[in-house]
Amino acid sequence: GDSVTQMEGPVTLSEEAFLTINCTYTATGYPSLFWYVQYPGEGLQLLLKATKADDKGSNKGFEATYRKETTSFHLEKGSVQVSDSAVYFCALKNFNKFYFGSGTKLNVKP
Amino acid sequence: DVKVTQSSRYLVKRTGEKVFLECVQDMDHENMFWYRQDPGLGLRLIYFSYDVKMKEKGDIPEGYSVSREKKERFSLILESASTNQTSMYLCASSLGLAALSGANVLTFGAGSRLTVL
Repeated sequence: GDSVTQMEGPVTLSEEAFLTINCTYTATGYPSLFWYVQYPGEGLQLLLKATKADDKGSNKGFEATYRKETTSFHLEKGSVQVSDSAVYFCALKNFNKFYFGSGTKLNVKP
Repeated sequence: DVKVTQSSRYLVKRTGEKVFLECVQDMDHENMFWYRQDPGLGLRLIYFSYDVKMKEKGDIPEGYSVSREKKERFSLILESASTNQTSMYLCASSLGLAALSGANVLTFGAGSRLTVL
């Protein structure tokens, strides 16, 4: 069945460091891919999305490219801030169903 | 701004009690979902609904039921709460299959943290 695998956390970085959170997926057909972010005590918010191969989603300095050949959708940011500390979820949508990774906690230290 | 509202942010219940978690969306979305979130397990789908009065089991429906009498409201019911149902419950909604792929994203509520003693 469809599934999403993302790197385990927590990931701890210093402010202004480069961030990569790996995400790979298994799916039939042509899924859409997403990154969601969850700040402490809140629900999930959509961070970015890509709907077809080679699309790049971007928002708030975060980017991810839909790579069909490697079935990946890695999240990157060039310079993280303390305010980026949160849990990040990779997800895919296929037909009417959504599948989530287990989440990666990011801690950014000043 | 579009919203998914979960009426209770924090609940404390006793084992055996009946628990209702309410979720309302104002986006005229066809699909609504209930997930539970537990440390190390990510999000697991309990039930979803793609239309009024329609429901489908997700990955972990045991011990739960749902009700969708109106398009905007999707309720999760724990008939007899147990301690292993202590969790964060997240409601979400999305457009239906007919929507353009790029528009079909999940919008989440803020979550309901349930503790069963």
